[in-house]
Amino acid sequence: QVDLVQSGAEAKKPGASVKLSCQASGGKSLVKYGIHWVRQAPGQSLEWMGWVNAGNGDTKYSQKFQGRVTITRDTSATTAYMELSSLRSEDTAVYYCARAFGTVMAVMDVWGKGTTVSVSA
Amino acid sequence: DIQMTQSPSSLSASVGDRVTITCRASQSLGIFLNWYRHKPGQAPEVLIYSASTLQSGVPPRFSASGSGSEFTLTISSLQPEDFATYYCQQGYNSAGPTFGPGTKVEMK
Repeated sequence: QVDLVQSGAEAKKPGASVKLSCQASGGKSLVKYGIHWVRQAPGQSLEWMGWVNAGNGDTKYSQKFQGRVTITRDTSATTAYMELSSLRSEDTAVYYCARAFGTVMAVMDVWGKGTTVSVSA
Repeated sequence: DIQMTQSPSSLSASVGDRVTITCRASQSLGIFLNWYRHKPGQAPEVLIYSASTLQSGVPPRFSASGSGSEFTLTISSLQPEDFATYYCQQGYNSAGPTFGPGTKVEMK
């Protein structure tokens, strides 16, 4: 069973960017999978941000974050990244990565423990 | 965009109770509906996928049904670890998934 190991907490100022990572444990390959990024702001529901096909690098983004989010993976398909720019206080949230076998529509069956991002002046 | 709603938004229950949560979508999803449990401070975990298929390792006290635009999740006998928030999620739209607003199950 693979675990997804996420990078540590970040504290950023408004207007800055943040780049988070999500690595498969043991260097396992995610080539057959997609990686979603989902966030949860305090007191809010889960919110989908985007997805990358770890095999070929194709991406899909939520319209809400289009232009502000970039999701990539390394060519060894063991790590995915999510970069969010022009941060504002409303971006304060826990950010999760989650694995899905196949397309963007597939179920998210393995989740990382989350990375807390705090945005404050 | 496909809009998801859940009812109730919260409920109070005791260990051993039977609990049912409803999820509705703004359009038909077929059976492309998944259920997740989210305990505070932990990662969400999938319970049910494709509307009614129990994820491997999930206890059989969880069951779900539905198709089209109305779905239900049932916990037959609530256990202490089930006090959490439950989310439905549509996997029908190729533009990307959408989660419901959540149902918080609290201890009575």
